[in-house]
Amino acid sequence: DAKTTQPTSMDCAEGRAANLPCNHSTISGNEYVYWYRQIHSQGPQYIIHGLKNNETNEMASLIITEDRKSSTLILPHATLRDTAVYYCIVRFYNQGGKLIFGQGTELSVKP
Amino acid sequence: SQTIHQWPATLVQPVGSPLSLECTVEGTSNPNLYWYRQAAGRGLQLLFYSVGIGQISSEVPQNLSASRPQDRQFILSSKKLLLSDSSFYLCAWSVDPNTGELFFGEGSRLTVL
Repeated sequence: DAKTTQPTSMDCAEGRAANLPCNHSTISGNEYVYWYRQIHSQGPQYIIHGLKNNETNEMASLIITEDRKSSTLILPHATLRDTAVYYCIVRFYNQGGKLIFGQGTELSVKP
Repeated sequence: SQTIHQWPATLVQPVGSPLSLECTVEGTSNPNLYWYRQAAGRGLQLLFYSVGIGQISSEVPQNLSASRPQDRQFILSSKKLLLSDSSFYLCAWSVDPNTGELFFGEGSRLTVL
């Protein structure tokens, strides 16, 4: 599996967009990019995933660079409840749901 | 709708005692099931996964074991706990393994004294 690199922590003002970067320079052509988050003392929550194209759902947007070596998760209007650790994960298609979580980025949304 | 239940939520056990953590999924059939462990301040570590009854794959050698006696039941066990087994244990499931979209339980916090 490709390795990912994320900043250890980030701050964001409530109501502003939170942009969380992830580097995955060794990603292969068949690997997807997934984002999860984990609120303190709870189980992780799936957010979004993509392969090449940008993706958007009710929670967030995922922007993947053209060379696929990095991506950005965007929370358009961060709230205090978005304070969590955000994990960027890359994995091959059809891996039986196996996900390798790294250290993630601790996002603090401040009023 | 599908739900996942994990228990107990909190457990304090002496060194050398046995362990049994249970996980059940409702509202779906033939789920893929997973056990993860998360030490304080660290990322998740995949321990076991199962694609069907009696089918267990181990990712990390350790004194833990997993079993799947029923389609929607996944059990994490140990015969003799070590201090290093203290951790936050998470059960998860997925319907379609190709999506990589997992649904996690609320976790079980184990403290071994």
